[in-house]
Amino acid sequence: GEDVEQSLFLSVREGDSSVINCTYTDSSSTYLYWYKQEPGAGLQLLTYIFSNMDMKQDQRLTVLLNKKDKHLSLRIADTQTGDSAIYFCARWGASKIIFGSGTRLSIRP
Amino acid sequence: EAGVTQFPSHSVIEKGQTVTLRCDPISGHDNLYWYRRVMGKEIKFLLHFVKESKQDESGMPNNRFLAERTGGTYSTLKVQPAELEDSGVYFCASSQGTGLAKNIQYFGAGTRLSVL
Repeated sequence: GEDVEQSLFLSVREGDSSVINCTYTDSSSTYLYWYKQEPGAGLQLLTYIFSNMDMKQDQRLTVLLNKKDKHLSLRIADTQTGDSAIYFCARWGASKIIFGSGTRLSIRP
Repeated sequence: EAGVTQFPSHSVIEKGQTVTLRCDPISGHDNLYWYRRVMGKEIKFLLHFVKESKQDESGMPNNRFLAERTGGTYSTLKVQPAELEDSGVYFCASSQGTGLAKNIQYFGAGTRLSVL
């Protein structure tokens, strides 16, 4: 399978929480990242978590890391229309970033 | 402070032609990376410069791709001759250096290459 895997699409209602899941294969990864790409824009680093942490919270964003299961998730509370974007899960791998295919988040009114 | 800038934002060329993409990293960033996303798949690493030297070019697909970073400032990525499968979005990123905070890579908006 792919090194970093994530589902391709997620649709949520405005105001609900969004949870984007990701799994990776290399347990030696030191940093794991979430990048956001809005239409026509570059990749914006949303947040990152060091491998010795279980959770990181930053305003509406919560990152959970289960190192045993090699599972990373991004929770966006109170999802807004401005959160519509592609979210890329990624890990640090020997001086380069290894990305997943991205999850396209769409918001329903 | 200006971010990573890429030019052009979109390029449409015919198969067999040559295209040159340019990336201007954040001022003072020694590390410069090229990545690409093909057909909506994962973003894949192409190569990494430290100043003007190629540190890792293991992701370069074949010898039709040539990257340069003369003087350690901006970088160019030339595709010659372009093939249909080269279509995709080419991203450039830069970082200060090693260490937790300095390893953060800042990305440009990308160049969308369409080979017809």
